[in-house]
Amino acid sequence: ETGVTQTPRHLVMGMTNKKSLKCEQHLGHNAMYWYKQSAKKPLELMFVYNFKEQTENNSVPSRFSPECPNSSHLFLHLHTLQPEDSALYLCASSQDEGGTGELFFGEGSRLTVL
Amino acid sequence: GQNIDQPTEMTATEGAIVQINCTYQTSGFNGLFWYQQHAGEAPTFLSYNVLDGLEEKGRFSSFLSRSKGYSYLLLKELQMKDSASYLCAVMDSNYQLIWGAGTKLIIKP
Repeated sequence: ETGVTQTPRHLVMGMTNKKSLKCEQHLGHNAMYWYKQSAKKPLELMFVYNFKEQTENNSVPSRFSPECPNSSHLFLHLHTLQPEDSALYLCASSQDEGGTGELFFGEGSRLTVL
Repeated sequence: GQNIDQPTEMTATEGAIVQINCTYQTSGFNGLFWYQQHAGEAPTFLSYNVLDGLEEKGRFSSFLSRSKGYSYLLLKELQMKDSASYLCAVMDSNYQLIWGAGTKLIIKP
């Protein structure tokens, strides 16, 4: 496989459930990102990891918990979510954080919270 | 505050030319990106401008004027597969990406 892979592609969960989103990149990049994409809104940066260390937490509620065990894998753990958290969650990677290189995105995990 | 403005939706005809504008107000400037996102798919990189002027890449061109805080993406010889959302993003002085809400481009036969 090449590029950035996200699983699952679709997820429906109740407000009391616990689930996780997974992202894997095969590009040898050092930085990985979680973005939230809602209809007709700009992409919202949630978390940034550079060399496995979290460098950005954009005032994200604690019901979202990221984990980065190594430079190739990124998880987003979800618990007690709200209906307004329903959105497309995009993972991305880049060679380094903050450089002017392009981002490589996964196809996203479409989350619906009932 | 920081802000990126682009039209919400545009319609164009197959074979024609369309220009998608993006205006920005940011704290500093370290380049402007255009991404294409087909429905249900990942955004993919189209172009990066950091100096004023026009960058051409096949049917797509991107223009930047830093003094005016303005960019456009020009798509020529439109094809049905160009139907997608086009995202404008500016990298500010802290190397943070500021995103626009995207322009949905509809191509009609």
